[in-house]
Amino acid sequence: KNQVEQSPQSLIILEGKNCTLQCNYTVSPFSNLRWYKQDTGRGPVSLTIMTFSENTKSNGRYTATLDADTKQSSLHITASQLSDSASYICVVMDGNNRLAFGKGNQVVVIP
Amino acid sequence: KAGVTQTPRYLIKTRGQQVTLSCSPISGHRSVSWYQQTPGQGLQFLFEYFSETQRNKGNFPGRFSGRQFSNSRSEMNVSTLELGDSALYLCASAFRLNTEAFFGQGTRLTVV
Repeated sequence: KNQVEQSPQSLIILEGKNCTLQCNYTVSPFSNLRWYKQDTGRGPVSLTIMTFSENTKSNGRYTATLDADTKQSSLHITASQLSDSASYICVVMDGNNRLAFGKGNQVVVIP
Repeated sequence: KAGVTQTPRYLIKTRGQQVTLSCSPISGHRSVSWYQQTPGQGLQFLFEYFSETQRNKGNFPGRFSGRQFSNSRSEMNVSTLELGDSALYLCASAFRLNTEAFFGQGTRLTVV
């Protein structure tokens, strides 16, 4: 069964600090991995999409990495801002176009 | 360019009733997918439509159904509502299958 596990489930960080979110998956065969940001009460917004051949992809202060060998991805947030407070969801698509969702990392940035 | 529009934003229904949710995709997008999001289960895929045909389906009971119209607008129907159906229902549209999807703000359904 395709699974996506995210850690930590939640974290609190000080404004201006960096943090890293983890996503481990068992999806096979792998097609792509996506990170979404979801603000409270709103729909998810895509941050990055990575395929098998991509190791790193950035979107402003967000940098995603992918290690297809170990089936791990991380999302690094640099110089966090209060607006980064949100849930970050890792989604993996398999070769049959089926999606597997993580339950999200809940990030709270405090001043 | 208008984003994905879901109506209504909030809905309260009683057990046993049925409900229809609506999704208008971004102009030019022909793929529409539906998701259920709950605190315990996270996001779960319901189904995806492209050119009025269901192309992919998640593991939900037959009480959950959907359709897509010729203008790409989509509706989702849930019959015989149960308390456990209380959730945020999200719709996402894409230009075509397996391309980047853009989500609407969702419909918050509460079943009492």
